[in-house]
Amino acid sequence: DAGVIQSPRHEVTEMGQEVTLRCKPISGHNSLFWYRQTMMRGLELLIYFNNNVPIDDSGMPEDRFSAKMPNASFSTLKIQPSEPRDSAVYFCASSRQGILELAGANVLTFGAGSRLTVL
Amino acid sequence: AQKITQTQPGMFVQEKEAVTLDCTYDTSDPSYGLFWYKQPSSGEMIFLIYQGSYDQQNATEGRYSLNFQKARKSANLVISASQLGDSAMYFCAMRERAAGNKLTFGGGTRVLVKP
Repeated sequence: DAGVIQSPRHEVTEMGQEVTLRCKPISGHNSLFWYRQTMMRGLELLIYFNNNVPIDDSGMPEDRFSAKMPNASFSTLKIQPSEPRDSAVYFCASSRQGILELAGANVLTFGAGSRLTVL
Repeated sequence: AQKITQTQPGMFVQEKEAVTLDCTYDTSDPSYGLFWYKQPSSGEMIFLIYQGSYDQQNATEGRYSLNFQKARKSANLVISASQLGDSAMYFCAMRERAAGNKLTFGGGTRVLVKP
């Protein structure tokens, strides 16, 4: 099992540019999550999908952020236009959508993260 | 109100000693799960241990154990026989049935193990 795969691992861009972060979840996992981690705000859930359908995007900061999951094995998080305050580590995580009481079905497995720096 | 509260921003522990990391949570959902993750300096998030709200016994995984006090809404992580490799950030997190699959994290506790 290759785990959750994120790309790029590091991205440095200039303000105003479009940024696309990519994620490949673990095969068989039908829930996918995008988190953002900053020193000031900690780990924030941006959006999550069940069976490729966005369920809760209340954490998406503003219209500059969008996320898609066109199929069970791929998701993107796009920022357009990017701003310096978007600088953070963006994590993708996946899990099975199972019974909450069954631990193995609900553990989120995280990718290595994408560190974004917007100058 | 904060869903997950970790009151210890940082702490030192002597190698080979035990350390307890505090976590309190807030929910009215009778069905929920509590998780602990470790984040070393390399940045990855590593799952450590899980406790379900209906579990009768405290969860244990190797040197990790969870002191689950449901009435007090606390789920403290105990690391026994600390090792230098335990130096990391530790996050407590909760999932509530009514909230779907969302996992909400606390602010974390940084642990530094001294040789």
